[in-house]
Amino acid sequence: DIQMTQSPSSLSASVGDRVTIICRASQSINSYLNWYQQKPGEAPKLLIYAASSLQGGVPSRFSGSGSGTDFTLTISSLQPEDFATYYCQQSYGTPLTFGGGTKVEVK
Amino acid sequence: QVQLVQSGAEVKKPGASVKVSCKASGFSFSSSVMHWVRQAPGQRLEWMGWINTGNGNTKYSQKFQGRVTITREATASTAYMELSGLRSEDTAVYYCVRQDSDCSGGSCYYYMDVWGNGTTVTVSS
Repeated sequence: DIQMTQSPSSLSASVGDRVTIICRASQSINSYLNWYQQKPGEAPKLLIYAASSLQGGVPSRFSGSGSGTDFTLTISSLQPEDFATYYCQQSYGTPLTFGGGTKVEVK
Repeated sequence: QVQLVQSGAEVKKPGASVKVSCKASGFSFSSSVMHWVRQAPGQRLEWMGWINTGNGNTKYSQKFQGRVTITREATASTAYMELSGLRSEDTAVYYCVRQDSDCSGGSCYYYMDVWGNGTTVTVSS
């Protein structure tokens, strides 16, 4: 199975901050990497697919980059509604696997 | 609008089975791939399997092989996930999810774009 490791597991930030979350795969997954946002009590929401493609309706302050084993999700200017947990997920092969999540908290 | 509505919360005893339904609307259910993903309290998301709603083909995570069955009823635009031999570790929120794809760049990239509202399954004696 492909292991997905996210760092940090949590971070504290303020509105307006630039936030970067890292996801590493245990083997190369090309660009088969998706990012999701999850708020408490809600289902996850797709933000980014294919490592860097923005899902329709998602604000442009979210961006993704990377390929192979190392990927990054960046929020250019954190907004109040962005405090949530973020997950990466590989779609390179089954079983599909998710990272452990990064919780973005208020500083 | 595109929507997945799941059945309500369940409480089961260890060893029992649970069957969760997921009714789709707003898109062509019969030409979709539907996944089931679960999330135990405080844990990461965990993929269980998928079904091609057109031909009924399924693929399961090895972790759940033999315990999970995913089916669909195309005329009702509904997918089902049945998990047997329940144990306390199966306590989780179970989600059905639609798969979409982008094949515009030569390669096809698959992602989960529409999520159900989640069904909480509690396993307790």
